[in-house]
Amino acid sequence: SQTIHQWPATLVQPVGSPLSLECTVEGTSNPNLYWYRQAAGRGLQLLFYSIGIDQISSEVPQNLSASRPQDRQFILSSKKLLLSDSGFYLCAWSVTSGGINEQFFGPGTRLTVL
Amino acid sequence: AQSVAQPEDQVNVAEGNPLTVKCTYSVSGNPYLFWYVQYPNRGLQFLLKYITGDNLVKGSYGFEAEFNKSQTSFHLKKPSALVSDSALYFCAVRDSLRASMDTGRRALTFGSGTRLQVQP
Repeated sequence: SQTIHQWPATLVQPVGSPLSLECTVEGTSNPNLYWYRQAAGRGLQLLFYSIGIDQISSEVPQNLSASRPQDRQFILSSKKLLLSDSGFYLCAWSVTSGGINEQFFGPGTRLTVL
Repeated sequence: AQSVAQPEDQVNVAEGNPLTVKCTYSVSGNPYLFWYVQYPNRGLQFLLKYITGDNLVKGSYGFEAEFNKSQTSFHLKKPSALVSDSALYFCAVRDSLRASMDTGRRALTFGSGTRLQVQP
């Protein structure tokens, strides 16, 4: 069966510090991978998606970047965090089957920037 | 373009009563529709999906959803609510036309979420 991991589960960082959040998927090959941000426990904002190694697309211009160094590893980074980067970050994966593309989510990382 | 709307920020229902969480969508082709649930400080969990076939789809935890093409809706329902159903619910859509034409993005569009509160 497939599983998706995110770490850390929670993180408190000062403004201006760097960020690295990691997501890994097990039990599947060549998944589509996604990073979402959820602010104030509401809607999801798609930040990045990836269809393969080193293939990253950004949905929203911002202070963050993403990388996919391995097939099942997706990393969200920042060189200098802003207060507005606080939120709940969710990683998701999918495998396209007939275009349906059902997504499965990780447990999330709660980021607080002080 | 594909979009989805959840018109209610919050739904309150008494335990044992039926519940409905509303969702409407807009797509160019045929819709693929999904419901997810999120408990506090957790990731989203898949509940059910509609791809094709019967308009009434049954999912996890006793939930079901009814696809209505004429009303472009996919409301989530449960005959008898439990206190443990209290959570944030998200509707999501993917346009089948986009799915066949756009192999790059491959992402669902999510609604803004509806908070379900079930009172004992």
